[in-house]
Amino acid sequence: DGGITQSPKYLFRKEGQNVTLSCEQNLNHDAMYWYRQDPGQGLRLIYYSQIVNDFQKGDIAEGYSVSREKKESFPLTVTSAQKNPTAFYLCATRQVGTDTQYFGPGTRLTVL
Amino acid sequence: ELKVEQNPLFLSMQEGKNYTIYCNYSTTSDRLYWYRQDPGKSLESLFVLLSNGAVKQEGRLMASLDTKARLSTLHITAAVHDLSATYFCAVVQLAGTASKLTFGTGTRLQVTL
Repeated sequence: DGGITQSPKYLFRKEGQNVTLSCEQNLNHDAMYWYRQDPGQGLRLIYYSQIVNDFQKGDIAEGYSVSREKKESFPLTVTSAQKNPTAFYLCATRQVGTDTQYFGPGTRLTVL
Repeated sequence: ELKVEQNPLFLSMQEGKNYTIYCNYSTTSDRLYWYRQDPGKSLESLFVLLSNGAVKQEGRLMASLDTKARLSTLHITAAVHDLSATYFCAVVQLAGTASKLTFGTGTRLQVTL
């Protein structure tokens, strides 16, 4: 983290509601990523963006949507179509030309 | 599809002893990362291994990469309680100009007295 902020830290949602998770960075990195982590498991890629106004689906994009209108921001919307959204969500950034990804502090989403 | 496997999934370590975590991956890649995660926290980058035979050391941790065997190891020397955490390896995949990481399932280390 340090330069990457995610908000809120904890989020509770009722079933059937859409919810948007925020990711902001001041590292001037071009690429941004969203991952999902379930208890006792590794990270799985949801969406990623290499440049403003462009993004690609990752391995588990169904039920999620993103936008990249500004270089600094890459919000993730968890829609009601996502069957089991309770998880820890991590945003990461990367400077193009390198592989290193830097991670934000995460948002823990719980569906009630 | 790239698969990344770590073993063991859980390791109970005695203080002062040495241990090794293994990370195997299924397709060709010559770049690999190791991350640490404390409970409820984000990921902290430990090592980046950029070529076959690469070895990096920091304190009691040493990581190595054998791209021909598609294997990376994380060796812990004289374990101490501060090393208790979950450790992930992540393999770099390139898709055009995009760089993606595929993560292993993680190895949870617990150091006991």
